[in-house]
Amino acid sequence: ETGVTQSPTHLIKTRGQQVTLRCSSQSGHNTVSWYQQALGQGPQFIFQYYREEENGRGNFPPRFSGLQFPNYSSELNVNALELDDSALYLCASSLRDRVNEQFFGPGTRLTVL
Amino acid sequence: AQSVAQPEDQVNVAEGNPLTVKCTYSVSGNPYLFWYVQYPNRGLQFLLKYITGDNLVKGSYGFEAEFNKSQTSFHLKKPSALVSDSALYFCAVRVFKTGANNLFFGTGTRLTVIP
Repeated sequence: ETGVTQSPTHLIKTRGQQVTLRCSSQSGHNTVSWYQQALGQGPQFIFQYYREEENGRGNFPPRFSGLQFPNYSSELNVNALELDDSALYLCASSLRDRVNEQFFGPGTRLTVL
Repeated sequence: AQSVAQPEDQVNVAEGNPLTVKCTYSVSGNPYLFWYVQYPNRGLQFLLKYITGDNLVKGSYGFEAEFNKSQTSFHLKKPSALVSDSALYFCAVRVFKTGANNLFFGTGTRLTVIP
């Protein structure tokens, strides 16, 4: 186990709703990255947070937003859910200067009906 | 732009036989390459990485990977497959850009080891 935890494990929402996913990083890690893994696909980078600020973003619309807290834990928020948002959402923690060593959590499985 | 490709969706191998999971990459500059494994209902587990140095990289659980610059490949190998190696394997390359330094993943290869 990596020490990265995510909650909840599973979640079911309906179109148009909003969802918040949570991630606790490994002890001492100050950088959190979020990835979306659709069924049968590889993980795709959503964004990264460092020192409570967004530090880079992939090709995802603004309705995907996040937060990082002083204890380095993080939230991913998705507004106006669409069916295509159904996926496994993974967070990964690392040190800012050691991004080559990312540790992934078990993921949150989101189903949008 | 950096990217990786995994040409095989599925690889089947008999237990005890050697296994190879293929990955090719496209990068500008020196590549930082990774292999991760994903078991059902689990997150990604790091297997190994190539940053620089010896072209043969040894990783966790007896896996190794060979970096080949001329063929732009980074194939994952294991001399003797175990049934417990059955899982989804992802090749990834580090993306360098202003701000975040994230990973770009391939589409994955499902490895099945047949008893």
